[in-house]
Amino acid sequence: AQSVTQPDIHITVSEGASLELRCNYSYGATPYLFWYVQSPGQGLQLLLKYFSGDTLVQGIKGFEAEFKRSQSSFNLRKPSVHWSDAAEYFCAVGDVMDSNYQLIWGAGTKLIIKP
Amino acid sequence: GAVVSQHPSRVICKSGTSVKIECRSLDFQATTMFWYRQFPKKSLMLMATSNEGSKATYEQGVEKDKFLINHASLTLSTLTVTSAHPEDSSFYICSAPGLAAEQFFGPGTRLTVL
Repeated sequence: AQSVTQPDIHITVSEGASLELRCNYSYGATPYLFWYVQSPGQGLQLLLKYFSGDTLVQGIKGFEAEFKRSQSSFNLRKPSVHWSDAAEYFCAVGDVMDSNYQLIWGAGTKLIIKP
Repeated sequence: GAVVSQHPSRVICKSGTSVKIECRSLDFQATTMFWYRQFPKKSLMLMATSNEGSKATYEQGVEKDKFLINHASLTLSTLTVTSAHPEDSSFYICSAPGLAAEQFFGPGTRLTVL
């Protein structure tokens, strides 16, 4: 069965430090991969996505993610976090064969920024 | 990028009443829309897939008669929570798909049932 795992429920990082949020997926072929961010009480905003091609994708707000097929991972990174990055981050997988375009969601990782 | 709106953003109602939440695609047409429910500190739970001109497809465990979905046009889907109870209090989010499984999300509706 398809699944998405975000092993860290929450992560605390000092402002200015680097960040890596983990995402692993289980899928039979190469899926579409997404990272979304949700600020408190808000909807979801797409940070970046991977469909094909270059395995290192750049997103908004200085985020990037790298697709590693051998590890079934799509980890999100940022070299220097800002206090405004504090939010919930969700990894999601889309099925390339699903004409309904449903997404499978990870449980989310809450990012806490220390001053 | 594509914009999806939701209305209202926040609603408080009494137990037993019905509440309608609207989801609109503002600058594109959406034959399909998704309705999610999000519990506190939890991920999104897909409730149903709304299909323009046909019946919605509900996920297992979601009560069709309680959560009525109508996709009346290519830009509007509505979710009506009927006979709401406090356990229906939640954050409801809609989305519409773009190309290749990407989804555009509405800002969400916070429902509080007293």
